[in-house]
Amino acid sequence: DTGVSQNPRHKITKRGQNVTFRCDPISEHNRLYWYRQTLGQGPEFLTYFQNEAQLEKSRLLSDRFSAERPKGSFSTLEIQRTEQGDSAMYLCASSFGLAGGVGTQYFGPGTRLLVL
Amino acid sequence: AQTVTQSQPEMSVQEAETVTLSCTYDTSENNYYLFWYKQPPSRQMILVIRQEAYKQQNATENRFSVNFQKAAKSFSLKISDSQLGDTAMYFCAFMNNNDMRFGAGTRLTVKP
Repeated sequence: DTGVSQNPRHKITKRGQNVTFRCDPISEHNRLYWYRQTLGQGPEFLTYFQNEAQLEKSRLLSDRFSAERPKGSFSTLEIQRTEQGDSAMYLCASSFGLAGGVGTQYFGPGTRLLVL
Repeated sequence: AQTVTQSQPEMSVQEAETVTLSCTYDTSENNYYLFWYKQPPSRQMILVIRQEAYKQQNATENRFSVNFQKAAKSFSLKISDSQLGDTAMYFCAFMNNNDMRFGAGTRLTVKP
């Protein structure tokens, strides 16, 4: 297993367009997280899945953002009607955790989004 | 709400020397986890070290060790025998109930 992968690695789009990012977690990991990281800052939590269930969403995740993990494996993050403020690095992480436990999160390389 | 503060935006250290990066956090929780992650330039985030709050013993991973002071809500990272490859952004993170909060990071430069 090569770790968490994300595609595409870079995306340039025009304001108002929709974009979709994909994350493939480490295969045995049941938990998957999305973060947003702007230049010079630490990652900010967006949302979290346990298997296929989306259990938590940050207030940062506006109505234009939607995330899915249909079969409990890969996940997609879609941004509709992109705005220049959406320009950031979008990071995915996965972990294995049992009930009540916290597994270490392993991060992918990220998708860098630039909205023109 | 939990917050994580890294008060040193940038630090530098000579190769082979020791450096300590500071981190403080604010929480009312008793059970939580703390992490240090490293993000090299243009590369992905890598876990450096992890500490469970219920453990009194400080975590150690080779040249990396932490000084965890639960009462003071402090979690510093010590890097011994610094190497050029340690040059990176270092993020302190707090986690409780799968909600991970990161500090703003410390940019560490190891000088030859």
